[in-house]
Amino acid sequence: KAGVTQTPRYLIKTRGQQVTLSCSPISGHRSVSWYQQTPGQGLQFLFEYFSETQRNKGNFPGRFSGRQFSNSRSEMNVSTLELGDSALYLCATSNVQQGGEQFFGPGTRLTVL
Amino acid sequence: KNEVEQSPQNLTAQEGEFITINCSYSVGISALHWLQQHPGGGIVSLFMLSSGKKKHGRLIATINIQEKHSSLHITASHPRDSAVYICAVKQAISGATNKLIFGTGTLLAVQP
Repeated sequence: KAGVTQTPRYLIKTRGQQVTLSCSPISGHRSVSWYQQTPGQGLQFLFEYFSETQRNKGNFPGRFSGRQFSNSRSEMNVSTLELGDSALYLCATSNVQQGGEQFFGPGTRLTVL
Repeated sequence: KNEVEQSPQNLTAQEGEFITINCSYSVGISALHWLQQHPGGGIVSLFMLSSGKKKHGRLIATINIQEKHSSLHITASHPRDSAVYICAVKQAISGATNKLIFGTGTLLAVQP
């Protein structure tokens, strides 16, 4: 069974640009959560999608947004990038019928210059 | 005060030693996760617990819901166990959610 995939794996952008990251869940997983990991703040919850609906949102500015498609793939978008957005962005997917354990993707390393 | 606290923050052990990492939390939870992250690597879920004890190979995880405390034990530690170990909780709130709250992690180095 294929794991969670995230694309791209690495990304370099400049301040003011926008970026879109993608997460493809394990087959059958309908819940996708996004997390940001930085050396200073550690791991923080961004948002969660289930069946194309945002189910929960973390304490991040409106520049951070996401969506989920009918095939459960999810994208997150960050507009007007700031230096502080440099981080590892991780998605995690789960299937509530299988106990709800979350499986993490390899992450996208975003560097903002 | 963080909702999830881990100790120790750093741990150095000799190969073969028994290792314990502790996690305390202050919120009501529906589940607790132990995660492993190697340097520069992604995150692997080791355990998801809601009560009692789980064992997988040399790893054992326990949770005491009344005391809001969990421990991760590594028996016969090996240099390949060197990684960051992260405790994360799924808060028990009304409505379904998979939102996790994370501890700051324990950096483990096992020396040969």
